[in-house]
Amino acid sequence: AQTVTQSQPEMSVQEAETVTLSCTYDTSESDYYLFWYKQPPSRQMILVIRQEAYKQQNATENRFSVNFQKAAKSFSLKISDSQLGDAAMYFCAYRSWSGGTSYGKLTFGQGTILTVHP
Amino acid sequence: GAVVSQHPSRVICKSGTSVKIECRSLDFQATTMFWYRQFPKQSLMLMATSNEGSKATYEQGVEKDKFLINHASLTLSTLTVTSAHPEDSSFYICSALSLWASGEGTDTQYFGPGTRLTVL
Repeated sequence: AQTVTQSQPEMSVQEAETVTLSCTYDTSESDYYLFWYKQPPSRQMILVIRQEAYKQQNATENRFSVNFQKAAKSFSLKISDSQLGDAAMYFCAYRSWSGGTSYGKLTFGQGTILTVHP
Repeated sequence: GAVVSQHPSRVICKSGTSVKIECRSLDFQATTMFWYRQFPKQSLMLMATSNEGSKATYEQGVEKDKFLINHASLTLSTLTVTSAHPEDSSFYICSALSLWASGEGTDTQYFGPGTRLTVL
């Protein structure tokens, strides 16, 4: 079974600065997806970024980028030019590529609470 | 983008009663929906996978007779908490798997806004 670990329960950053959230995972599969989801105080889960394991290029979405190290099974999220609206709980998630009864299931990490200071 | 709605957003009920929560995909069809439970400042715990037209697949430790799931159409799944007790109080979140053929919507799970259940 796959596991996802976020070792930073809480992180903080000054507005306009850069912060990196860590995520490691364990799997025996070679093809899979990785995601970062954001959950603000409203508790609505929002997809931040996704990465297919077969892609060597790191995914980016505006101020959000990832550092995907497949051999190290590491998938960190970098937030540049942090804004007050980035304050939220961030979850790293893993999804198998294959189908079957587990198709589409996400395995979540424990989450990291990000505080942004003005 | 893909939108998933949940109704109600909040519900308070008496112990022993049943509560139904609806999850709808508004602008796409979802053959698969998922139900999660989340406690404050904790991660999402998958309860079950709901597939349209078939029985739900429950995760280990989840009582299928207590948490009834029905996925009667490609846009609607329901979770019924039967004979609710205070320990069932929690935040319940559904998600729907989008199988669009292109763009960021491809094969992505979109989440509803959640339902806060309080059992007195």
